[in-house]
Amino acid sequence: DAKTTQPNSMESNEEEPVHLPCNHSTISGTDYIHWYRQLPSQGPEYVIHGLTSNVNNRMASLAIAEDRKSSTLILHRATLRDAAVYYCILSRLTGTASKLTFGTGTRLQVTL
Amino acid sequence: KAGVTQTPRYLIKTRGQQVTLSCSPISGHRSVSWYQQTPGQGLQFLFEYFSETQRNKGNFPGRFSGRQFSNSRSEMNVSTLELGDSALYLCASSQRAPGRTGELFFGEGSRLTVL
Repeated sequence: DAKTTQPNSMESNEEEPVHLPCNHSTISGTDYIHWYRQLPSQGPEYVIHGLTSNVNNRMASLAIAEDRKSSTLILHRATLRDAAVYYCILSRLTGTASKLTFGTGTRLQVTL
Repeated sequence: KAGVTQTPRYLIKTRGQQVTLSCSPISGHRSVSWYQQTPGQGLQFLFEYFSETQRNKGNFPGRFSGRQFSNSRSEMNVSTLELGDSALYLCASSQRAPGRTGELFFGEGSRLTVL
């Protein structure tokens, strides 16, 4: 199974942009890249996903390298509410099923 | 719109017992998947169900089983509990069809402690 590698932790100041990296060097052509985040005592929450092209939504942007071996989640202006563990996930679709491979996650700390 | 509901939220069992956890997906969602979260192993995929059929299974022993009912509600069962089964068990539902990608909506989890 394809795996992802993320830094254990990162820090950011409030209202500054945050770039969370993820390496997935063994990604296959049908693997989608998903990002979820988990706040304390809650289940994970969807952030964004993409396949080959960069993606934007109201929460974040996803920048995918041309060779797809890495990606970066971009929070444009971090707030205290963005403090969470961010997971980079590969979703392998096999026609009739999908399998998620979770990374170890990056714990993001946001300070004033 | 109600979210994913998992019951019970907390439970304590002893080694050798079995446990059943329940998950009610968001109305209209037909796909349900289960995950185990532990401090050592992180989040690991258990299984995925769609239309009462198991579509995919993670690398867990046969003591872990599940099923989905016609109303899309799902249960998972762990038999002959071991200390290492202590974990947060998360359920997620989705509108996505098998083999398609899509947003997962997670419940708050059932925290199982095995003594």
